[in-house]
Amino acid sequence: KAGVTQTPRYLIKTRGQQVTLSCSPISGHRSVSWYQQTPGQGLQFLFEYFSETQRNKGNFPGRFSGRQFSNSRSEMNVSTLELGDSALYLCASRPETSGGAYNEQFFGPGTRLTVL
Amino acid sequence: QQPVQSPQAVILREGEDAVINCSSSKALYSVHWYRQKHGEAPVFLMILLKGGEQKGHDKISASFNEKKQQSSLYLTASQLSYSGTYFCGTWGPYNNNDMRFGAGTRLTVKP
Repeated sequence: KAGVTQTPRYLIKTRGQQVTLSCSPISGHRSVSWYQQTPGQGLQFLFEYFSETQRNKGNFPGRFSGRQFSNSRSEMNVSTLELGDSALYLCASRPETSGGAYNEQFFGPGTRLTVL
Repeated sequence: QQPVQSPQAVILREGEDAVINCSSSKALYSVHWYRQKHGEAPVFLMILLKGGEQKGHDKISASFNEKKQQSSLYLTASQLSYSGTYFCGTWGPYNNNDMRFGAGTRLTVKP
């Protein structure tokens, strides 16, 4: 099976711009979670989608949004970029057989976003 | 509500052992362990479930004390390939459908 893929791998934007990141989960996985990783804050949960519905959201401002399509692919959008949004954005998928507490997550390689 | 990991960093020689700890202030359903090498995605190592069930790699061992809401990852006879940052992730009744990760423990194994 192909792993989780994320595009683009690298992105450079300027403050105030908007960005969209894409994630394709492992075939058959319907749950997709997004994380922001920075040296100072570690891995921070952004949100999780399952069957096109957002099931949970972390403590991030409304500038961060996402969606999931019927094929389980997910996109994350950040509007009005700030310098502090520079980070590695990881998505992870998992099988939904018995709940997230009981299934490992499979991470994609991430998108490195730099905001200038 | 993020779990707390200790130590923050550890340096070992090949063949030495290490223990990485993860503790939570809240009750837990499960603890997950991941390892991330520099420039790569986190990779799953192990899940420890309430009730004692575990699943993961045979060469990795860990414990989960439900009463103390703590987990420990045991790395024995370390190899160079063990180097990386280890993260614990926790699931509990305080969160639903999201994992809270610790800040990570950077492990360096030297020849």
